[in-house]
Amino acid sequence: NAGVMQNPRHLVRRRGQEARLRCSPMKGHSHVYWYRQLPEEGLKFMVYLQKENIIDESGMPKERFSAEFPKEGPSILRIQQVVRGDSAAYFCASSSTGGDGELFFGEGSRLTVL
Amino acid sequence: GDSVTQMEGPVTLSEEAFLTINCTYTATGYPSLFWYVQYPGEGLQLLLKATKADDKGSNKGFEATYRKETTSFHLEKGSVQVSDSAVYFCAPGFQKLVFGTGTRLLVSP
Repeated sequence: NAGVMQNPRHLVRRRGQEARLRCSPMKGHSHVYWYRQLPEEGLKFMVYLQKENIIDESGMPKERFSAEFPKEGPSILRIQQVVRGDSAAYFCASSSTGGDGELFFGEGSRLTVL
Repeated sequence: GDSVTQMEGPVTLSEEAFLTINCTYTATGYPSLFWYVQYPGEGLQLLLKATKADDKGSNKGFEATYRKETTSFHLEKGSVQVSDSAVYFCAPGFQKLVFGTGTRLLVSP
């Protein structure tokens, strides 16, 4: 039973480039969450999605960041025109029920912006 | 909105010492409460949970009790091991989990 799969595990981008992070939830899970972890800090909620719908994007920066979870395929977190402050670990989690159910986390994608 | 406060780390202990990591939260209503653990270079793993007042979650020797009256969910372990060294996150959950800043635990032999 595969867990939550994230790729790439490590991504290096230069300022102004685009970063795309992918997340395949656990089999049978239709709820996906993205969190960002800055060095030596906790996890900050970014966005909660269900298939084809954004449920809560209250933690997403207003500009340059977007997320989707299409009917087919992985969830994508897209960061346009990256800046050095975007360097962080981005974690995806999935659950089967949403609400207050247990989250299963991927191993994260570590973005470095040069 | 929902929020959580954890004691700041790092917490440094010797092997077999008693551990307490404090966690308090604010939330509308009565969320489920979770403790997650993050080992170096990895994602978070669920350690234990409690879904209603006075419930005690337990796993791997760790325990935490849902205290509605004090809105707390303190993590305890009677005898820590070197392998417990990690970052621990408290999280109340409604539609989404809200994580604290995490508490780093360092256990020395």
